[in-house]
Amino acid sequence: GDSVTQMEGPVTLSEEAFLTINCTYTATGYPSLFWYVQYPGEGLQLLLKATKADDKGSNKGFEATYRKETTSFHLEKGSVQVSDSAVYFCALTQGGSEKLVFGKGMKLTVNP
Amino acid sequence: DTGVSQDPRHKITKRGQNVTFRCDPISEHNRLYWYRQTLGQGPEFLTYFQNEAQLEKSRLLSDRFSAERPKGSFSTLEIQRTEQGDSAMYLCASSFNRGTKNIQYFGAGTRLSVL
Repeated sequence: GDSVTQMEGPVTLSEEAFLTINCTYTATGYPSLFWYVQYPGEGLQLLLKATKADDKGSNKGFEATYRKETTSFHLEKGSVQVSDSAVYFCALTQGGSEKLVFGKGMKLTVNP
Repeated sequence: DTGVSQDPRHKITKRGQNVTFRCDPISEHNRLYWYRQTLGQGPEFLTYFQNEAQLEKSRLLSDRFSAERPKGSFSTLEIQRTEQGDSAMYLCASSFNRGTKNIQYFGAGTRLSVL
């Protein structure tokens, strides 16, 4: 079945560092791709999405590009802040139900 | 828009007991999903409804699990004869299925601990 593999953490960075979280997927057809974020004590929130090849999703300084040739959707941010400390999940939608298939998540801690 | 609401936030139960969780989706959303998340893992799909119809169930959803969505509004997830392996965070999400607008919004979850 369809699956998502993402870089596992935890990762600790200093404020203003560059962030990359790798995500690759296996899917039949043409899934939509997502990054969700879970801040401490809160529910999952959609960070960004891309629905077709070469689309770039962006939000709050984060970006990810849907690369069909490498089946990847890596998340990047040029300068992280302490408030970006959270768990980040890469996901795809599958089938007519559009259920989400998630990676295992990566915990990011940003220190001042 | 009050968001997706789940109740209770936490539930502690003894093995063998039945538990029921409730999810209230965003009011105009016609799709409702249930996921389960264990420690250190991403959420895993359990089942989903379009309006009141339950259209898909995961193989993860054993016979002890049942979900309903009467009248296409709130949903309940019941686990009968709970086992320690049922301990997890149970997440509900809702969406409005129209074209490319099917973005799922998640509730804060119900954390179940089976002793």
